[in-house]
Amino acid sequence: QVQLVQSGAEVKKPGASVKVSCKASGYTFTSYDINWVRQATGQGLEWMGWMNPNSGNTGYAQKFQGRVTMTRNTSISTAYMELSSLRSEDTAVYYCAAGIAAPDYWGQGTLVTVSS
Amino acid sequence: VIWMTQSPSLLSASTGDRVTISCRMSQGISSYLAWYQQKPGKAPELLIYAASTLQSGVPSRFSGSGSGTDFTLTISCLQSEDFATYYCQQYYSFPWTFGQGTKVEIK
Repeated sequence: QVQLVQSGAEVKKPGASVKVSCKASGYTFTSYDINWVRQATGQGLEWMGWMNPNSGNTGYAQKFQGRVTMTRNTSISTAYMELSSLRSEDTAVYYCAAGIAAPDYWGQGTLVTVSS
Repeated sequence: VIWMTQSPSLLSASTGDRVTISCRMSQGISSYLAWYQQKPGKAPELLIYAASTLQSGVPSRFSGSGSGTDFTLTISCLQSEDFATYYCQQYYSFPWTFGQGTKVEIK
């Protein structure tokens, strides 16, 4: 069965960077785009960007342009999302999600806490 | 950017009720709309895509309708496991956007 397993919770200081991984299994990694979505506590869902694991092409929400980088390692079927210059407002659960169109497979989420 | 207005934000209902949630777009998106269910502490789950296509394994009491700018999610007979938060999402154009969410709570 399709699974996306994300890396564990992180605590970072303001100004630091965080890199979250998303390991895919149960399907051909290059078949589905990977999207990243975040959710602050008690808030709604916010789309951050997408990556085509085959080509490596990416597209980012303007809000995160210049701070986010999405990459992949096809040899280990893993996608990465790195967010830099962290601030307290970046405290959230970060999800990877895969699918051909609307994502139908989601990771379990990674809590990133930004605190001094 | 395509803006979405999802309503209501809170819906109080009883088991067995028929409930509807609306999502309105700032511009037409054809049928590129999905609905998700999210329970506390869990990732969202895809219920419906292409506005009205039920995802595999989703109970038939869920249905979606609409195209262009106005969409609706209907739960025909609310079950206890349906109390959750629901989100609409457009995937017509980047940046993808989500509705603000509708929390369905027990009346």
